[in-house]
Amino acid sequence: AQSVTQPDIHITVSEGASLELRCNYSYGATPYLFWYVQSPGQGLQLLLKYFSGDTLVQGIKGFEAEFKRSQSSFNLRKPSVHWSDAAEYFCAVGPPPFGNEKLTFGTGTRLTIIP
Amino acid sequence: DGGITQSPKYLFRKEGQNVTLSCEQNLNHDAMYWYRQDPGQGLRLIYYSQIVNDFQKGDIAEGYSVSREKKESFPLTVTSAQKNPTAFYLCASRHSGSSYNEQFFGPGTRLTVL
Repeated sequence: AQSVTQPDIHITVSEGASLELRCNYSYGATPYLFWYVQSPGQGLQLLLKYFSGDTLVQGIKGFEAEFKRSQSSFNLRKPSVHWSDAAEYFCAVGPPPFGNEKLTFGTGTRLTIIP
Repeated sequence: DGGITQSPKYLFRKEGQNVTLSCEQNLNHDAMYWYRQDPGQGLRLIYYSQIVNDFQKGDIAEGYSVSREKKESFPLTVTSAQKNPTAFYLCASRHSGSSYNEQFFGPGTRLTVL
């Protein structure tokens, strides 16, 4: 069965500092990986996705993520955070298209930005 | 603008009552999903539908029901059999024919049982 672990429940960083959010997955085949962001009381917005090819993927809002098969990880990074990045971040794993189409989400990491 | 709408944004119900949450999309997506979100538990799949008039149970379907009579609409009914219905409910959709399988989310409905 597929699963996703986000080991950090809550992270606090200073504005302008770098950020890395961890995501580890378990999946029996080539995974399709996603990072979503959720502002309080809102829906989820897709930040970036990985299917194949270059293991470093760029997303919106200056975020990037690196797929490391040997470590079963897909960590999200940003070189310099802004106060508007405060939100909850979810990593998700899913099957290839035309499979059972079910995504499995991690439990999320809440990001707080301090001045 | 294309997107997913959920209504109402806030919903209150008394114990023992059924309530229906609306989800509409104009993205021409084939697949639609309902998730429940509780603090610290991430998103859990309730039901999903890949085509009209067909749907499958997700991981926590007990106490919920759905219908898919139109491609654009996927309403969720929270029945009185759901023991702890207070939660944030998210609807999502996806274009099944695409080589990408990311899901697009609506703004959510917060249900509170009084």
